[in-house]
Amino acid sequence: GNSVTQMEGPVTLSEEAFLTINCTYTATGYPSLFWYVQYPGEGLQLLLKATKADDKGSNKGFEATYRKETTSFHLEKGSVQVSDSAVYFCALSTSYGKLTFGQGTILTVHP
Amino acid sequence: DAGVTQSPTHLIKTRGQQVTLRCSPISGHKSVSWYQQVLGQGPQFIFQYYEKEERGRGNFPDRFSARQFPNYSSELNVNALLLGDSALYLCASSHSWGQGVAKNIQYFGAGTRLSVL
Repeated sequence: GNSVTQMEGPVTLSEEAFLTINCTYTATGYPSLFWYVQYPGEGLQLLLKATKADDKGSNKGFEATYRKETTSFHLEKGSVQVSDSAVYFCALSTSYGKLTFGQGTILTVHP
Repeated sequence: DAGVTQSPTHLIKTRGQQVTLRCSPISGHKSVSWYQQVLGQGPQFIFQYYEKEERGRGNFPDRFSARQFPNYSSELNVNALLLGDSALYLCASSHSWGQGVAKNIQYFGAGTRLSVL
């Protein structure tokens, strides 16, 4: 079956630090890959997506590249802000939209 | 445009009771999915509906059921509640089902937090 593994957390950074959150997946076929973000007390917001190998998704300074050879979709941001503090979920989807999520990574950014 | 709306926001029930959660999708979206998010974990897929028909079901017991109405809104029912059913229940809508990635992207509501005592 499909599965997603995220790096162990939580992650604590100072403002303007570089962020990497690792994500690897196992899937049959050719899934689409997503990063969702969950702010305290809220639902999930789509952050970025990639639909095929070597695609790069980007949004709000965050980037992730679909690496089929390493089955990875690592999230990066060059300079984090306090407002980026949230829980980040890596997810995959087959052609019918059902999402399989990783366990989530808590990010805390200090001023 | 309004996003996905869920009601109620919070709910407290006791073991053995039944609960109904409601979801209204984004206008124009015809597919609704339900997920359970236990504290500290990622969401787990429960159901997906499209055009009022069940299109997918996750690994949940028969105590969980759902339906979709002609206006594409949806209800999730859970019978004989257990302490382990305490979670955030998320509803997501997408434009369609099985018609390419762009139309299957899921947009989430804020969720209903269910506490079972």
